[in-house]
Amino acid sequence: GQNIDQPTEMTATEGAIVQINCTYQTSGFNGLFWYQQHAGEAPTFLSYNVLDGLEEKGRFSSFLSRSKGYSYLLLKELQMKDSASYLCAVRDNEGGSYIPTFGRGTSLIVHP
Amino acid sequence: GAGVSQSPRYKVAKRGQDVALRCDPISGHVSLFWYQQALGQGPEFLTYFQNEAQLDKSGLPSDRFFAERPEGSVSTLKIQRTQQEDSAVYLCASSLGRGGSYNEQFFGPGTRLTVL
Repeated sequence: GQNIDQPTEMTATEGAIVQINCTYQTSGFNGLFWYQQHAGEAPTFLSYNVLDGLEEKGRFSSFLSRSKGYSYLLLKELQMKDSASYLCAVRDNEGGSYIPTFGRGTSLIVHP
Repeated sequence: GAGVSQSPRYKVAKRGQDVALRCDPISGHVSLFWYQQALGQGPEFLTYFQNEAQLDKSGLPSDRFFAERPEGSVSTLKIQRTQQEDSAVYLCASSLGRGGSYNEQFFGPGTRLTVL
């Protein structure tokens, strides 16, 4: 299985940049996902990394280092609507299973 | 519909009652997942279907939990003799392909179960 660690809560100012880190331990890494979840709503997909490096998509970017078991989600030009929980999920292929395992999420609070 | 739907959205049950939660995945999606999410936590895996086959049920917390997907589309999660610790949001997700390839999961809105 995986051991996924991410900060419980972060705060940032509107217009700023914030980086949410995720570290993991897994024996058969097969991809890392970031999801956004607003309170009371379903998680929605943000990004997927399977190779090392940075994936950029608009205001959001995600980075992966497989050797370090480390990823981060970078949010630029923060908006109030970015206040949400950000979930890191790691998939491995140990035993032939490809089930993503989620971290507990990072609650991001964006203030004016 | 365009997305994953779940019903009911809210369910209140008395301890000991049986409940059934329904998930309608996106049409044509092969994979279907059930997760349990407690307040302030990430989703915890319960079970996984590939078409009608239940390939992984390692996350089901007890034999009171049972899931099925008889025709490879709609799925039902049944909880027998509900306990207070079963109170949580139950999320269903579907994805287009099988396990090994890139597979974005599309989540439903969840069913919030409260056991009194």
